[in-house]
Amino acid sequence: DTEVTQTPKHLVMGMTNKKSLKCEQHMGHRAMYWYKQKAKKPPELMFVYSYEKLSINESVPSRFSPECPNSSLLNLHLHALQPEDSALYLCASSQGHGQASNYGYTFGSGTRLTVV
Amino acid sequence: AQSVTQLDSHVSVSEGTPVLLRCNYSSSYSPSLFWYVQHPNKGLQLLLKYTSAATLVKGINGFEAEFKKSETSFHLTKPSAHMSDAAEYFCVVSGRTYNQGGKLIFGQGTELSVKP
Repeated sequence: DTEVTQTPKHLVMGMTNKKSLKCEQHMGHRAMYWYKQKAKKPPELMFVYSYEKLSINESVPSRFSPECPNSSLLNLHLHALQPEDSALYLCASSQGHGQASNYGYTFGSGTRLTVV
Repeated sequence: AQSVTQLDSHVSVSEGTPVLLRCNYSSSYSPSLFWYVQHPNKGLQLLLKYTSAATLVKGINGFEAEFKKSETSFHLTKPSAHMSDAAEYFCVVSGRTYNQGGKLIFGQGTELSVKP
């Protein structure tokens, strides 16, 4: 299995809703990432988990809450989002956080989030 | 700090003609460089990577890139464009500095259009 699987593919939520994005990989990668991508822009790093511990938080607002229950799963919990949070949310993994320098990342197909 | 500059925001070619997407990098370390492709509403797919082995790197779908240290360039080429090559392309360097370590640093992207 050489894929990163993200669910759901599309999500529409109101500003008072609570929802979660899910990411799963079975490649034995020990680093997992959340990215946010706006239209016509490169992805922006949000969070890095290395060996199931939060390693990097790129000053992301607390309405985004990541969770790494085990080495294969990564969740992003969403609460009280704003319309400007509408974007494509990408999950990625790599063999190790430092190993991204040699191997790059494997990206999922993303969740298209719309906040209304 | 490390960075990449994609010299063209949009490139348009005719089907069957060569493709050239230009990328210059800045790095005080020996860089690891990548090209990713993103089709509309999809995740990012790794096309190829350079990690200080052969300077001419062959990737998937007939793409290749040449690392030129003297020119700090890593241009992406393909001899003959196909309609399915129409997508957004990102040149990426892997961060090695204290603040950028383990992170992927993206260029702004080049949109490739292929005319029939």
